[in-house]
Amino acid sequence: KQEVTQIPAALSVPEGENLVLNCSFTDSAIYNLQWFRQDPGKGLTSLLLIQSSQREQTSGRLNASLDKSSGRSTLYIAASQPGDSATYLCALRNGGSQGNLIFGKGTKLSVKP
Amino acid sequence: EAGVVQSPRYKIIEKKQPVAFWCNPISGHNTLYWYRQNLGQGPELLIRYENEEAVDDSQLPKDRFSAERLKGVDSTLKIQPAELGDSAVYLCASSFRDYPREQYFGPGTRLTVT
Repeated sequence: KQEVTQIPAALSVPEGENLVLNCSFTDSAIYNLQWFRQDPGKGLTSLLLIQSSQREQTSGRLNASLDKSSGRSTLYIAASQPGDSATYLCALRNGGSQGNLIFGKGTKLSVKP
Repeated sequence: EAGVVQSPRYKIIEKKQPVAFWCNPISGHNTLYWYRQNLGQGPELLIRYENEEAVDDSQLPKDRFSAERLKGVDSTLKIQPAELGDSAVYLCASSFRDYPREQYFGPGTRLTVT
């Protein structure tokens, strides 16, 4: 059974710092992996999607990497801002295109001005 | 373009009462998902629809939960009767059926059962 772990559960950094959020998984036979952002009381916003054949995806200050052999994905946030404060969730899809997303519990990020 | 729409946003009910949540997916998305998210946890899938067909409802507690997606567009998730442990955020998401099946989420309905 696929398990998704995100460590740390919470992270506090000063504004301007570069940071890395971690996501690990137990079964490397994934179809794709998505990183989401969730603001308090809100739904999930898709940030980046990486297909199993890809190594990384970039969008603005965000860069997500995928290493299936080690069962890890990272989300790199450059020059963090207070507006980046939110919970970041990774989710991966097993079992091909018809598989369902399995989520981690998230990392709650706080960026202090 | 409108995103996934859900209503109501908040609902407070007493245990044993019924409750229903409504979802309108992004136009053109064949696939619709209902998730439940408990505090401090990631979302967990309850049911997935491909058009009007429920293709995965293995995690749906069928003794009290039901769902429908008439005409393959809007969907309703119902709980009857509600229990204290049903307090959670219920999220709806949608995607195209084909590659890469990127999911887009609605704002959710926060249910409190007292």
